[in-house]
Amino acid sequence: GAVVSQHPSRVICKSGTSVKIECRSLDFQATTMFWYRQFPKKSLMLMATSNEGSKATYEQGVEKDKFLINHASLTLSTLTVTSAHPEDSSFYICSARDRGRYTDTQYFGPGTRLTVL
Amino acid sequence: GDSVTQMEGPVTLSEEAFLTINCTYTATGYPSLFWYVQYPGEGLQLLLKATKADDKGSNKGFEATYRKETTSFHLEKGSVQVSDSAVYFCALHGGTSYGKLTFGQGTILTVHP
Repeated sequence: GAVVSQHPSRVICKSGTSVKIECRSLDFQATTMFWYRQFPKKSLMLMATSNEGSKATYEQGVEKDKFLINHASLTLSTLTVTSAHPEDSSFYICSARDRGRYTDTQYFGPGTRLTVL
Repeated sequence: GDSVTQMEGPVTLSEEAFLTINCTYTATGYPSLFWYVQYPGEGLQLLLKATKADDKGSNKGFEATYRKETTSFHLEKGSVQVSDSAVYFCALHGGTSYGKLTFGQGTILTVHP
């Protein structure tokens, strides 16, 4: 099956610093990737849709200047949490859309646990 | 808009018991339906999917049938194992959602030996 990787799997940073999370589709090309945030024992909250070669589309209430998304290639999207604060601590999960003639499925990365001190 | 409703959890079963997790949906257009599983500390894994009415998705002993008349996609397994303990998410990809998934709230399953 399709594989999506995320890096790093876990990161701890100081308040005020920026953190970059990478999401890669390893065996397929993804023109669209998605970034989610998950709080403990909760469902996934879609943050933004990342489109290759164009600007990301952010969900209502998500600060685009705080959560910078870049989708520079068909296999890589990055999420940068700028000037991180403790309330940004969360589990961030990406997914990549595998869209072909007979398929349209999202495959998820393993997630990144961000802790801001 | 699109929505997915899952049965309230948590669900606790003994090993080899029968599992049903209910999922109903509301959508415009002709959605595809998915079940994802999340093990502790990990991302989501696609468990099974169905793209049109009456399709049955199956994987690892789990099954779900796309029922358009009842707008349902219930997950079933005849004999659960301890290793099935996880959170299960029902989701839909609607024809008008531009690739976005709409998730249910998730159901925590715990299987005891």
